[in-house]
Amino acid sequence: DAKTTQPTSMDCAEGRAANLPCNHSTISGNEYVYWYRQIHSQGPQYIIHGLKNNETNEMASLIITEDRKSSTLILPHATLRDTAVYYCIVRVLFSGGYNKLIFGAGTRLAVHP
Amino acid sequence: GAVVSQHPSRVICKSGTSVKIECRSLDFQATTMFWYRQFPKQSLMLMATSNEGSKATYEQGVEKDKFLINHASLTLSTLTVTSAHPEDSSFYICSATPRPANTEAFFGQGTRLTVV
Repeated sequence: DAKTTQPTSMDCAEGRAANLPCNHSTISGNEYVYWYRQIHSQGPQYIIHGLKNNETNEMASLIITEDRKSSTLILPHATLRDTAVYYCIVRVLFSGGYNKLIFGAGTRLAVHP
Repeated sequence: GAVVSQHPSRVICKSGTSVKIECRSLDFQATTMFWYRQFPKQSLMLMATSNEGSKATYEQGVEKDKFLINHASLTLSTLTVTSAHPEDSSFYICSATPRPANTEAFFGQGTRLTVV
């Protein structure tokens, strides 16, 4: 089962920041938080990932709370092309480097003019 | 980012036939490959995981004799849907992870399978 919960849908005005929350209260100490997005009928696209520290790249920022039980993905200036389903995933690690990516329901973000 | 190529992107087949879907990592060696399927308006459901040097591990409820996975090399995995039925019609997506395991997984563009 997915280890994350996200709001079903969110709206954002074009040009504004989109803040997408994610709860992962059962995350273990060595498990990473990953964010992907999926535009209709395409494969998911990697956005960002982190363990404890906040992360930033050219697409987004990831803010992880100190207790690691939740995180927020920030798209600083949303555009219409950012309309997609956003998935927050805890990467489950097993011994020997074996790992799984389990997708939850995701958040459907609609960016409007 | 790294590229994962999935082929074909669309396939229509008759009930009872088998269909093979290929997943290739084009510019890296994949330690792990994942196969997912996705029904309309639903999330991705993990079907199986295959790690370098070992057989695929199937998720609960996924029939391994129906969905044959062959991780032929570090750059190629195939999913064969055997004796396909209309209820197998779905969007099938693969992903691959390079070393080390905590780097991102890269996804193929998906295969739309329609069984008629």
